[in-house]
Amino acid sequence: AQSVSQHNHHVILSEAASLELGCNYSYGGTVNLFWYVQYPGQHLQLLLKYFSGDPLVKGIKGFEAEFIKSKFSFNLRKPSVQWSDTAEYFCAVSNAGNMLTFGGGTRLMVKP
Amino acid sequence: DAMVIQNPRYQVTQFGKPVTLSCSQTLNHNVMYWYQQKSSQAPKLLFHYYDKDFNNEADTPDNFQSRRPNTSFCFLDIRSPGLGDAAMYLCATSDRAVEQFFGPGTRLTVL
Repeated sequence: AQSVSQHNHHVILSEAASLELGCNYSYGGTVNLFWYVQYPGQHLQLLLKYFSGDPLVKGIKGFEAEFIKSKFSFNLRKPSVQWSDTAEYFCAVSNAGNMLTFGGGTRLMVKP
Repeated sequence: DAMVIQNPRYQVTQFGKPVTLSCSQTLNHNVMYWYQQKSSQAPKLLFHYYDKDFNNEADTPDNFQSRRPNTSFCFLDIRSPGLGDAAMYLCATSDRAVEQFFGPGTRLTVL
């Protein structure tokens, strides 16, 4: 069975700080990788996804993630966060069966 | 806009009183999912429909049932809600492109 670990449960940053959220997964086969964001009171939205090709993926709102196969990692990054980035971030993995397995989430608070 | 719609957004029920949550989609996706998300936890897949084929997760309680009368609609029935079933229930859809699109969720309170 596949599993996803997000090591940072809560992150507090000041505006303009750089962000990196860790995500590691365990699965021996081909995977598809996702980062979803859930703003307060809103539904889950896709930030970015990796299926194949360039391991550096760019998503919406200035986010990017890098797939490192040897480390089973798909870390999310943003060079300069804004107060509006305050949200919960979920890493997720799907296999050939297309079922998503989510990590436990990272709650990000950006102080203005 | 094409979207995933969930009604109601907030549902209050009494302990043991059956409740039905609904989801509709205008995306014409063939797969629909129901997730349970408890506070500060990741969404947990309850079951999904691939077209009319129902797929139950092994650890989904029997208390939870689902119906999909047509491509656009899917229902989650909780036969006898307990206090532990209070959660956000998320509906999602996908086509064969893998990416899932989520609805806004229904927050269920059990009194």
